[in-house]
Amino acid sequence: NAGVTQTPKFRILKIGQSMTLQCAQDMNHNYMYWYRQDPGMGLKLIYYSVGAGITDKGEVPNGYNVSRSTTEDFPLRLELAAPSQTSVYFCASSTGIGRSDTEAFFGQGTRLTVV
Amino acid sequence: GQQLNQSPQSMFIQEGEDVSMNCTSSSIFNTWLWYKQEPGEGPVLLIALYKAGELTSNGRLTAQFGITRKDSFLNISASIPSDVGIYFCAGQLREGTYKYIFGTGTRLKVLA
Repeated sequence: NAGVTQTPKFRILKIGQSMTLQCAQDMNHNYMYWYRQDPGMGLKLIYYSVGAGITDKGEVPNGYNVSRSTTEDFPLRLELAAPSQTSVYFCASSTGIGRSDTEAFFGQGTRLTVV
Repeated sequence: GQQLNQSPQSMFIQEGEDVSMNCTSSSIFNTWLWYKQEPGEGPVLLIALYKAGELTSNGRLTAQFGITRKDSFLNISASIPSDVGIYFCAGQLREGTYKYIFGTGTRLKVLA
């Protein structure tokens, strides 16, 4: 099992550019999440999804968009990159079933720098 | 918004020593998770706690869900060099919200 796969691993963007961070999971998990991690800080939830076609905002959604057309994929879109979006982005997924419904498995992260 | 206070921020310990770290909040949580993150990797789940007072072990790791539901601690016994990393607590405020608040992490370094 590959688990949660994120691409790219690193990216440098110029201010105002746009890009999509890809996330795919092969565990048939219902729930998927996007977090950002700033230096020396914990993770903050950007967006999450409880199933295909359903998304909702987390703590810090401004400047981002998501879609969930399939169970496997949950891309994160940055439309107009700003220096404040320089961060490490983590995608995660969880089963949504039973007691472990929110135990999240994380990808390896995408390190994004906006200059 | 809600905050999780995680302490200590960092620790330097000798191999073989025991380690203790904790998370506290003014809010009540339904679930606590403890994660470990190594450089360049995503967080990996260590222990999950689901009810007040619950004490759970995973090898040399032991974690407890505080009785007041506002805190949790993680202990590592007989530390080894591969315990190095950042340990995060995460609390779920209300069952079914699917949202976790993460602490700022405890950075652990083990000196051989």
